[in-house]
Amino acid sequence: QKEVEQNSGPLSVPEGAIASLNCTYSDRVSQSFFWYRQYSGKSPELIMSIYSNGDKEDGRFTAQLNKASQYVSLLIRDSQPSDSATYLCAVDMDSNYQLIWGAGTKLIIKP
Amino acid sequence: SAVISQKPSRDICQRGTSLTIQCQVDSQVTMMFWYRQQPGQSLTLIATANQGSEATYESGFVIDKFPISRPNLTFSTLTVSNMSPEDSSIYLCSVYSSGAAEAFFGQGTRLTVV
Repeated sequence: QKEVEQNSGPLSVPEGAIASLNCTYSDRVSQSFFWYRQYSGKSPELIMSIYSNGDKEDGRFTAQLNKASQYVSLLIRDSQPSDSATYLCAVDMDSNYQLIWGAGTKLIIKP
Repeated sequence: SAVISQKPSRDICQRGTSLTIQCQVDSQVTMMFWYRQQPGQSLTLIATANQGSEATYESGFVIDKFPISRPNLTFSTLTVSNMSPEDSSIYLCSVYSSGAAEAFFGQGTRLTVV
């Protein structure tokens, strides 16, 4: 069964610190990986996508992918209260545009 | 990118009735996805809707309960039939844009069944 696993949290991080969100997936041949942010009462929105092993940086966000370990993470530097949200990890396991979603990690940034 | 207009945004319905949710996309897309999201939970895929063919339903979801229409490449509807309080949830439509390499979502429909 194709699965994406995340720690549901909540993960509480002080303002200004680094928030680290983790995700593991079951299908070794997966090629596309996504991090979405969802504020309460809103739809998910894309934060980062990553396709190759290593790090990908975009502003305060860094996605890290390790296909050998089937592990993808999202680091948020200089965390802000506005980063408080649920972060969803999604994986395209079949390249058929149907994403498999993790349960989401609720992140709380404490001022 | 893709912009999806979903309506209604919310509704309160009597048990035993049906509600049809509409999603209009501003570009042609092959597949549209319908999700359910319980409060505090992640996305649960209900079905995948392809234009010109029957929708493909995930385990636990059946066509009689959640009939889907996909008359063209920019529009789809999901009907929640014979509703019960257990159907109270947020329903989301989504498309995946291969060009943008990103999934886009409608604004969601918050359904409450009383």
